[in-house]
Amino acid sequence: DGGITQSPKYLFRKEGQNVTLSCEQNLNHDAMYWYRQDPGQGLRLIYYSQIVNDFQKGDIAEGYSVSREKKESFPLTVTSAQKNPTAFYLCASSIVEVWGNQPQHFGDGTRLSIL
Amino acid sequence: AQSVTQPDIHITVSEGASLELRCNYSYGATPYLFWYVQSPGQGLQLLLKYFSGDTLVQGIKGFEAEFKRSQSSFNLRKPSVHWSDAAEYFCAVGSYQGGKLIFGQGTELSVKP
Repeated sequence: DGGITQSPKYLFRKEGQNVTLSCEQNLNHDAMYWYRQDPGQGLRLIYYSQIVNDFQKGDIAEGYSVSREKKESFPLTVTSAQKNPTAFYLCASSIVEVWGNQPQHFGDGTRLSIL
Repeated sequence: AQSVTQPDIHITVSEGASLELRCNYSYGATPYLFWYVQSPGQGLQLLLKYFSGDTLVQGIKGFEAEFKRSQSSFNLRKPSVHWSDAAEYFCAVGSYQGGKLIFGQGTELSVKP
C-alpha cells in the first residue's frame, strides 16, 4: 500500500546534538512538508519542498534544516540551534497543482524529546 | 492574510448525540477547504474536502461539512457520534502559495458513554 513512513517513532536528543528525522513516501507525490505540533498550537509548517533539490522555509524554520535529493525522501534535521525541540513532528506529501490545493497525506509522526 | 479559526478548543458530547464542529476561514478567493482527524499519537487522516460545486460535502466515517460563503464557515457535522469518534479535529484552508495548507488550532472531541 502507498503511504508515508516516518522513523523513528520516538527520538531522544542530548544537549548540543543534531538529530535527523526520516520521512519516506511511495505515493509518487512531488510535494513534501514538515510540521511541528505542540499542544494547543495546531500544526506549524517548518519546511516544504515542491520539487527535488528545492525547498522553502515555512513559518518556523529556525533551528531546522532539510534536504530533498530524492523525490521519495525529505529528511528533517533538528539542529542544536533549536532550543526547544520537544514536540511531535509530522511529515506530509501531496500532488502539486498550479492552481489550488490537493489534500496532504500524513505519516504517523515522530515524537522528539530532550534527555 | 489567510487564516483558520476553530473557536472551540474542547467539546464533549454524549454517544449517539449530534455533533457540529465550527470552522471559520479568511481567504480572498474561493477557498479549498479540508477537515482532518487525528487520534492520539497518530498522523492526520483526511475526512473530507471542498473544492467547488455542491456546498454540502460528504466524507468518510459518516461526517459531512457545509460550506457557507456568506459566513466564511465550513462546519463539520455528524448526526450520531460514536465513542470511536473521540479525537482531535483540524480544519484547514489552502493558501495562495500552491500546495501549502493553513491549519486551525484544532478541536478536541470527547465522547461520554
